[in-house]
Amino acid sequence: GQSLEQPSEVTAVEGAIVQINCTYQTSGFYGLSWYQQHDGGAPTFLSYNGLDGLEETGRFSSFLSRSDSYGYLLLQELQMKDSASYFCAVRVPSYNTDKLIFGTGTRLQVFP
Amino acid sequence: NAGVTQTPKFRILKIGQSMTLQCTQDMNHNYMYWYRQDPGMGLKLIYYSVGAGITDKGEVPNGYNVSRSTTEDFPLRLELAAPSQTSVYFCASSNQEGEQYFGPGTRLTVT
Repeated sequence: GQSLEQPSEVTAVEGAIVQINCTYQTSGFYGLSWYQQHDGGAPTFLSYNGLDGLEETGRFSSFLSRSDSYGYLLLQELQMKDSASYFCAVRVPSYNTDKLIFGTGTRLQVFP
Repeated sequence: NAGVTQTPKFRILKIGQSMTLQCTQDMNHNYMYWYRQDPGMGLKLIYYSVGAGITDKGEVPNGYNVSRSTTEDFPLRLELAAPSQTSVYFCASSNQEGEQYFGPGTRLTVT
C-alpha cells in the first residue's frame, strides 16, 4: 500500500523560508507532486519531481530523494497569501493509468 | 477556457436520497477523476476515467457510481445518500502525465 506523512501545521513570518517535509511508504511510484489549497478553494498544482533532486519554480522549490523515501517543498520570501494547506502526492501506476495518492496536508500560517 | 466546472456548489440531502454531481472540462483531457475531501484531510480518489466509455474504481468507490459518455463530462452519482458521504467533492482532469486541474468543488451535507 501507500502512505504519505506530512506535519499537520507549520507557522512562519513574512519574508522567512519554510520547508514542508513529506515522507512516504509506497511500493513503486513515478514521481512526487505538490499542491496548494486555500481555505474553501480547490487544490492547484505547484510542482512535480519525476527525478531525484531539486526543482525550482520562482519562490517555490521541491526536492525528492527516492533512496530516503523523502521529499520537501521549500517556500522562500514568504507572503501572507502563502497561508494555505500544502499536499504532497505520489503518482503511482494503475492497470490502465496513473493515480495520485495524497498526503493529509500541512497547514501553513504566515504571520506579519 | 473555463477549465473544470462543477455543479452544484452546495447541496443538502436527506438520508436515502440520490443525486448527481456534474463535472465538465473543456481542455480536451482524456483523464478525469473524482475525489472526496473530509475536513482536515487529504483527497481520496473515488473513481477515475481514462477516456469516454472507460471508468474504474479508486480508493473509496462504495456508494458511488460514474459514467463517461463524452470526453467533456464525468458525472458522479450517489444512489442512497448516507451521513458518511458528507464531504467536499472535487472533480479533476489531466492529460496523460501532466498536472491535475481541479474544479471548484461541491460541498455536500447528508442529514
